[in-house]
Amino acid sequence: QKEVEQNSGPLSVPEGAIASLNCTYSDRGSQSFFWYRQYSGKSPELIMFIYSNGDKEDGRFTAQLNKASQYVSLLIRDSQPSDSATYLCAVPPRDNYGQNFVFGPGTRLSVLP
Amino acid sequence: SQTIHQWPATLVQPVGSPLSLECTVEGTSNPNLYWYRQAAGRGLQLLFYSVGIGQISSEVPQNLSASRPQDRQFILSSKKLLLSDSGFYLCAWSVETSDTGELFFGEGSRLTVL
Repeated sequence: QKEVEQNSGPLSVPEGAIASLNCTYSDRGSQSFFWYRQYSGKSPELIMFIYSNGDKEDGRFTAQLNKASQYVSLLIRDSQPSDSATYLCAVPPRDNYGQNFVFGPGTRLSVLP
Repeated sequence: SQTIHQWPATLVQPVGSPLSLECTVEGTSNPNLYWYRQAAGRGLQLLFYSVGIGQISSEVPQNLSASRPQDRQFILSSKKLLLSDSGFYLCAWSVETSDTGELFFGEGSRLTVL
């Protein structure tokens, strides 16, 4: 059974710092990975996905994937108070045929002004 | 563009009462549809998923049921609510033919059972 693990936090960083969010997964065959952001009381929204080893950058966000170590991370540069949210790591089903996306428990990030 | 709507956004129900949450997707056809529940301070729990009209798979045995009467409509129901049914219910969709297979969520329905 696939598992996805994250530190629950809260992770507190000062405004302008780099926030580093980590995720490990159990299924060595997993090919792609998603990061969702969920503000308190709201639904999750997709912010990034990555499927190749290495880094993928999108604005202030960088996703990093190391398949050999079964590790994926999300870096947020120049953190803003508006980045304060819970960040969910998710592994989709391999064949995208109605199977379960496996979500981590989420890491709560607090950016202090 | 694709959109997903679910309603009602908030509801308070007494124990033993029925439940109906509805979700519709626009701008796509034959989506995979999902119902998730998120209890307070907890992760996402998959309740049901559907790959087509009338096709429902249940992940967790409980007093909830789901139906898909139309291609882009997904309904979550209960005949008698329990206190433990309280939570944030999320409808989501994905596209089978998508290269990346991302999952998109509706706005959510917050249920409080008293």
